[in-house]
Amino acid sequence: GAVVSQHPSWVICKSGTSVKIECRSLDFQATTMFWYRQFPKQSLMLMATSNEGSKATYEQGVEKDKFLINHASLTLSTLTVTSAHPEDSSFYICSARPGWNEQFFGPGTRLTVL
Amino acid sequence: EDKVVQSPLSLVVHEGDTVTLNCSYEVTNFRSLLWYKQEKKAPTFLFMLTSSGIEKKSGRLSSILDKKELFSILNITATQTGDSAIYLCALGTSGSRLTFGEGTQLTVNP
Repeated sequence: GAVVSQHPSWVICKSGTSVKIECRSLDFQATTMFWYRQFPKQSLMLMATSNEGSKATYEQGVEKDKFLINHASLTLSTLTVTSAHPEDSSFYICSARPGWNEQFFGPGTRLTVL
Repeated sequence: EDKVVQSPLSLVVHEGDTVTLNCSYEVTNFRSLLWYKQEKKAPTFLFMLTSSGIEKKSGRLSSILDKKELFSILNITATQTGDSAIYLCALGTSGSRLTFGEGTQLTVNP
């Protein structure tokens, strides 16, 4: 149980385009989902906390207009990287919380912006 | 500001060795300390610790928390090449936010 999926696994796009990443909890309902970013050889950095039915809470330094988060249902959160640039290339990981303290991570999405 | 510091940053051992990974932290509102293993993709959960002095064990891996001295250790005995990974320590605070350390890159050579 407690499986989280992400789609796509890998995406390459041109600079200036927008990319949407989906995070789904497959066998549980997640009132809270988290989005992380991980640059090479660095640890996971929390970008935002996404609560179903309300606006996401962004960490300091993360542009909410650039990284749009929508948590439309208890099993789906999406992260849209708008007008992506090469510096946005990173490994994006979501996690979902079923209601207790533990978080379950998705497999990650590797974004490469050319 | 909550902070997690892991050491060493990188470790290379031979199969069969025992390793100890360290995690120290500073926190305003402690809820839990978690250990994850990250190979090529996203982290996989190992342990969650909330109480001092109680060892959690899973096979060759074990972990313990010291809330007075603000640190935790992760032990791996009889290491295998499949243990090669980045081991991440994370602090769980209010709102279920996780603050991650930089990780320890463990390489186990045959």
